[in-house]
Amino acid sequence: GAGVSQTPSNKVTEKGKYVELRCDPISGHTALYWYRQSLGQGPEFLIYFQGTGAADDSGLPNDRFFAVRPEGSVSTLKIQRTERGDSAVYLCASSSLAGAYEQYFGPGTRLTVT
Amino acid sequence: AQSVTQLDSQVPVFEEAPVELRCNYSSSVSVYLFWYVQYPNQGLQLLLKYLSGSTLVKGINGFEAEFNKSQTSFHLRKPSVHISDTAEYFCAVSAGRGAQKLVFGQGTRLTINP
Repeated sequence: GAGVSQTPSNKVTEKGKYVELRCDPISGHTALYWYRQSLGQGPEFLIYFQGTGAADDSGLPNDRFFAVRPEGSVSTLKIQRTERGDSAVYLCASSSLAGAYEQYFGPGTRLTVT
Repeated sequence: AQSVTQLDSQVPVFEEAPVELRCNYSSSVSVYLFWYVQYPNQGLQLLLKYLSGSTLVKGINGFEAEFNKSQTSFHLRKPSVHISDTAEYFCAVSAGRGAQKLVFGQGTRLTINP
């Protein structure tokens, strides 16, 4: 079946603008995760959802970052007042109990803040 | 809290030679360990995982890893590499089974020379 998809694949925005990044998880996966990968680094956890609720948002760097998953499927990561330091690849993953919660990753959205 | 250290940022090897990518972790609780591979311009793919049981785990593409609790290590090995193994490899740890965030190391770039 289809894997995790993320849109857009690339996003260039100006400093101070608002951006939304979308993640479509594998159908039926109850858990959804967001990570951020800066150049030359491993992915860093941001937030994860179990169903519609954020089960752990301890990785969100500040209150400019927010994520939602209103119907327990698609999720949107929202970044307000973007800064150049927000430039990174944003990765989404999903998992399910049936799959022993193995995380399947999407291809990522490359965000560049100019 | 968990942390992961990948001791080598880059590992160059010749084709058909053996390779070992090193990973050490720290945690105050029992952990579950993973190796992911990231091919150029692609998402992360799970190579193998250790949850419990045998300390030697086998994964895809001929890779294997050994969990060593006393040395807090989870090194990845392959007896004979191929050009197609050129990629970035990430070691990751989670605090337990279920929907848990992953903590990643900084990655090791494996370069295979003909």
